Amino acid sequence: GEKVEQHESTLSVREGDSAVINCTYTDTASSYFPWYKQEAGKGLHFVIDIRSNVDRKQSQRLIVLLDKKAKRFSLHITATQPEDSAIYFCAASYYGGSGNKLIFGTGTLLSVKP
Amino acid sequence: NAGVIQTPRHKVTGKGQEATLWCEPISGHSAVFWYRQTIVQGLEFLTYFRNQAPIDDSGMPKERFSAQMPNQSHSTLKIQSTQPQDSAVYLCASSPRQGDSGNTLYFGEGSRLIVV
Repeated sequence: GEKVEQHESTLSVREGDSAVINCTYTDTASSYFPWYKQEAGKGLHFVIDIRSNVDRKQSQRLIVLLDKKAKRFSLHITATQPEDSAIYFCAASYYGGSGNKLIFGTGTLLSVKP
Repeated sequence: NAGVIQTPRHKVTGKGQEATLWCEPISGHSAVFWYRQTIVQGLEFLTYFRNQAPIDDSGMPKERFSAQMPNQSHSTLKIQSTQPQDSAVYLCASSPRQGDSGNTLYFGEGSRLIVV
């Protein structure tokens, strides 16, 4: 089955700097790659996604890059703000024969210091 | 739109007892997913339903865990004979449709289960 590896377990940046979180996946058939944000004591909230028919997507300060050849995707947060501090999870869709499910990475704790 | 509602938010149960967790998906969503979150294992897929039918329960520990979706407005996850290793946050999510390419999941706040 699909495995998603999230390379940074923690990341600390200064306010205004950029943060980059990297993930790799194993299943070449995966075609959908969302990112979720989790704040303390809360559930996961969708932030941005990318599908395999494109290699870049931007939504305001968030940029997602996808390299299908390397089976790698990344989340770039530009001009970071303290409220960006949270745990970020990458995920890849896995079609297990009976439908899609998301397989998640292990999460990256992002701290944005003022 | 109230979002996905999970109850209880916190539950403490004694070893060997039964625990039932409830999830109310967003109205109109056709797919419901259950995940388990722990520090050690991260986010683990447990099971999911599409239009109330069970589709994939490959992540469910076979012997003590069961999930049902008796109607479109709620799903339950039942753990029998709870063990300390069942302690986790159980997350329910719903999705508006189930397509081949994957769709956004909307998560509830989770149910934190502690087995003592």
